[in-house]
Order: sequence, then structure tokens, then C-alpha cells
Amino acid sequence: DQQVKQNSPSLSVQEGRISILNCDYTNSMFDYFLWYKKYPAEGPTFLISISSIKDKNEDGRFTVFLNKSAKHLSLHIVPSQPGDSAVYFCAAISSSGSEKLVFGKGTKLTVNP
Amino acid sequence: DAGVIQSPRHEVTEMGQEVTLRCKPISGHNSLFWYRQTMMRGLELLIYFNNNVPIDDSGMPEDRFSAKMPNASFSTLKIQPSEPRDSAVYFCASSLFSYEQYFGPGTRLTVT
Repeated sequence: DQQVKQNSPSLSVQEGRISILNCDYTNSMFDYFLWYKKYPAEGPTFLISISSIKDKNEDGRFTVFLNKSAKHLSLHIVPSQPGDSAVYFCAAISSSGSEKLVFGKGTKLTVNP
Repeated sequence: DAGVIQSPRHEVTEMGQEVTLRCKPISGHNSLFWYRQTMMRGLELLIYFNNNVPIDDSGMPEDRFSAKMPNASFSTLKIQPSEPRDSAVYFCASSLFSYEQYFGPGTRLTVT
């Protein structure tokens, strides 16, 4: 049973526009969420995170929004650039549990010039 | 500063052979994680160590898989005997008192 779901396997946007990647989770014990970016033939790299005590965290062009009641988070990239083309993974963890991150299956973002 | 180092980057082997994947975590990090990525299951945690001690190996698929961390700067993941269904990309990651994990480039394993 998937505890972290990214229902869109792929997303295509035009350069300069907004990219919105979505993630849903089922485990109410999760209280910290992370987004990772992965290029082909490389390992995932940390992008941005958010604690459940916040509903928004911003870092440059990247903003993560958290809706705890809906168990939903999203990553906004504005403006999107061709270099943002990658697979994006959502991950979640419970601070009261172990150090185990639970990952979604990823969304492949393509930003077209 | 060097990131997480994994070797080999690619491994092709025949069914039944022993495979050993290696990982050097970032210096000073106290937790090490082994993941497997497949199309069907995505990125799944196999085992993780804290201060060189295995904490949770519930993700290890079966007894053919074993992992060791003899010291703070080295870990191995061994598959013996290997099977075609073990073909995947295996990642090692490390962290220091943080949920933010740093991943290596991965080892692509192909078992024929």
C-alpha cells in the first residue's frame, strides 16, 4: 500500500510558466516532507522541505505548499526553466518514528524551451 | 567535499553469481541508507545504519540480500545468489542528524 502517491507520472510545461507537482500521503503520522530532484544517471538531490507546523516554504523559484487536512502537498516552480527538466520525488517521514523516508514514485517534468 | 561514492557504477552479472555493491558515505555522516529503484516499485528503502549499526532491515527482500557497515566510511550490499529480478538501480545515501539525505550516483545492476 503506497503511503506517498504522486499520481501524475509526467508533466510538460513551457519555459517561463509555472510547474505544479502534486503529492498525496495517507499516513497521518508523517510530519516532515521533502522534495528531491533526479537527473538521469545521477542520484536524487534534495530540493526543498517543509515541516507540518508550516503550510508554505519558499526557496528562490521553488515553493512547497502543505495542506494537512487534505494530506496533500505541492511543489511550485516559477518560472520554469529547461534545466528543471528532471524527475521529482516527494518524500515523507514521521519525526516520532525511525529515519525512514517514504518516497513517491516520482513525476517526470519536461520544460520546453 | 566529496559526496557519497558508490562502486561500481554498472554491474552486469549472470544469474547465480555473487554481487557486491560498495558505498562510501560523506565523511562525518552518522546514518547510511541503501535503496533500490525499479519501475514497478519506485524507490524503496532496503536497510539503514546508524553509527554503523543496522537499525532497520525490514526492506531487505530476502535472505539472499545482506548488508554490512564495518566502519563509518564504508558499507557493502551483497546479493548471493543473484537473480534476474534483482536488476535495478541501487542507491546509497547518508545523512547527519537530519532528514535530508545525500544520495550517491547509484549502481545499475543487470542480472542475466
